[in-house]
Amino acid sequence: AQKITQTQPGMFVQEKEAVTLDCTYDTSDQSYGLFWYKQPSSGEMIFLIYQGSYDEQNATEGRYSLNFQKARKSANLVISASQLGDSAMYFCAMRTAIVEGNTPLVFGKGTRLSVIA
Amino acid sequence: DSGVTQTPKHLITATGQRVTLRCSPRSGDLSVYWYQQSLDQGLQFLIQYYNGEERAKGNILERFSAQQFPDLHSELNLSSLELGDSALYFCASSVGSGLGEQYFGPGTRLTVT
Repeated sequence: AQKITQTQPGMFVQEKEAVTLDCTYDTSDQSYGLFWYKQPSSGEMIFLIYQGSYDEQNATEGRYSLNFQKARKSANLVISASQLGDSAMYFCAMRTAIVEGNTPLVFGKGTRLSVIA
Repeated sequence: DSGVTQTPKHLITATGQRVTLRCSPRSGDLSVYWYQQSLDQGLQFLIQYYNGEERAKGNILERFSAQQFPDLHSELNLSSLELGDSALYFCASSVGSGLGEQYFGPGTRLTVT
């Protein structure tokens, strides 16, 4: 079974500083994808970044980067130069691709990030 | 804007009633997923359809059902509603192959009174 663990219920960061949100995962599958989503107070789920299990380089998308350590089964999200608009709930998620048509996402419980001016 | 649309945005209904939530996936996406987000259970997968066929089931109650139509839009039917069904219901879509991301709709907030 797949499992995502986010051990930080809440985090605070000063504006313009970098912050790391932790995520560890558990799966016996060799082929999988790791995702981070942002959920602001308005409720929508915004896709941030994706890392494939066979990708050799860490994924980056603007101010977001994913620190992928396969042996440790961790996929931490790094947000650089935090902005007030980054205050939100952040979810780490995983899926495996065994059959055509994809598989659903398994989510962690989330980390609430608060950016302080 | 993810390209996934969901209606209605908000729904308030009484216990015992039945409601239908609607989702239109992004153009070209064949897979539709339904998720439920509640305070106590977090984000849980309910059911997945791929090109009109049910592909996977998660923690979906027997009182809930879904279908995907030939035009690929999907509906989630919730019946005999209970207070505990109050939650944010998301629809997501993906192309249907590989490990690409799923794009989420804005969600339908269901309140059962």
